[in-house]
Amino acid sequence: KNEVEQSPQNLTAQEGEFITINCSYSVGISALHWLQQHPGGGIVSLFMLSSGKKKHGRLIATINIQEKHSSLHITASHPRDSAVYICAVDSNSGYALNFGKGTSLLVTP
Amino acid sequence: NAGVTQTPKFRILKIGQSMTLQCTQDMNHNYMYWYRQDPGMGLKLIYYSVGAGITDKGEVPNGYNVSRSTTEDFPLRLELAAPSQTSVYFCASSYSWGSNEQFFGPGTRLTVL
Repeated sequence: KNEVEQSPQNLTAQEGEFITINCSYSVGISALHWLQQHPGGGIVSLFMLSSGKKKHGRLIATINIQEKHSSLHITASHPRDSAVYICAVDSNSGYALNFGKGTSLLVTP
Repeated sequence: NAGVTQTPKFRILKIGQSMTLQCTQDMNHNYMYWYRQDPGMGLKLIYYSVGAGITDKGEVPNGYNVSRSTTEDFPLRLELAAPSQTSVYFCASSYSWGSNEQFFGPGTRLTVL
């Protein structure tokens, strides 16, 4: 069983909608990462957080360490937000990031 | 800064052939990583390096080798390519292990037929 579970796997939204992607993990962590993979394949880091909440433009990431859960929110979604969003955790016991399988988001005009 | 660069972008290999995937970073990062991404699966760590001359196996190292002779370069060698190595390969780097932001290269799409 993967230590990092994301939901939903696929998500279609209309432009302007508020979007939430969830990430649950089963191990103790020192940090959680949200990454974005564009249709062309490139991967960029969006957030790294170990507590609380971070905001960048229309993107907000939250984490609840006690519940082992993080959410990525996109406000006023736009077609250019269409991408795969990946959650990854830096566990206390491991030596590498553990990645979720990703959430594929399609925002239609 | 170019960040992390990878070559080639695409490659088709025949079973049993060998090749080297190149990775270079210009951010003076000590930590470098090779991942593979299979359809519907999360990224898996193949090998990593914590500095020049130091490498170690990740989760899925079989069939691959790496070297790190300089801080900038971290090539991945495939010996005796097999269809199971068909994947997209990403190189990444970070200033320190895990808890710092990882910077990814554009990826190499490899098909083994």
